[in-house]
Amino acid sequence: QSVLTQPPSVSGAPGQRVTISCTGSSSNIGAGYDVHWYQQLPGTAPKLLIYGNSNRPSGVPDRFSGSKSGTSASLAITGLQAEDEADYYCQSYDSSLRGVFGTGTKVTVL
Amino acid sequence: EVQLVESGGGLVQPGGSLRLSCAASGFTFSSYAMSWVRQAPGKGLEWVSAISGSGGSTYYADSVKGRFTISRDNSKNTLYLQMNSLRAEDTAVYYCASGWLVHVMDVWGKGTTVTVSS
Repeated sequence: QSVLTQPPSVSGAPGQRVTISCTGSSSNIGAGYDVHWYQQLPGTAPKLLIYGNSNRPSGVPDRFSGSKSGTSASLAITGLQAEDEADYYCQSYDSSLRGVFGTGTKVTVL
Repeated sequence: EVQLVESGGGLVQPGGSLRLSCAASGFTFSSYAMSWVRQAPGKGLEWVSAISGSGGSTYYADSVKGRFTISRDNSKNTLYLQMNSLRAEDTAVYYCASGWLVHVMDVWGKGTTVTVSS
């Protein structure tokens, strides 16, 4: 089953902007399927952060934004805050509607 | 309040079976797709299975196809995952999640732990 590749870790100082890439293939992201992003704070269940490539659910700060191009997608966090320290996962699916998650990225606030 | 509560996890020997349940409340259960996602200790998220709101369509990861069965009882607002022929690599926290589409996971439960060991 296909896997979406993310950098293991990214870091930034408070107030800075960080981006997380999510690289797929022609069988998932590149085939036009939507990408969603989840935030997992330590010891808790994941939370939907971005859906449909670039949409924020109600209650998610506009510091979080998503984009998609070709076989990749990106999550940007602007104005980085201490509470953003968490693991972030992208997710998409393939033509058989089998879901696939990214490898996960740990965001550290310096 | 929208809520998902998983149960049924525990310790099972390799080759054994377990059935997980996920009780839903606070929303029209039959209108939402449901998914199971697992997370092995210290590892990332792994999509396991999903089912449409009516239960008429089901989807499985290759790693569990033929061993796990997802189902739902809309009259009881409950999602199930029947897990057979369990292996050590199935050890994980299992989360259920709901979404307005099959592959959007909007609301998550807190998870139930499955340990496969002799």
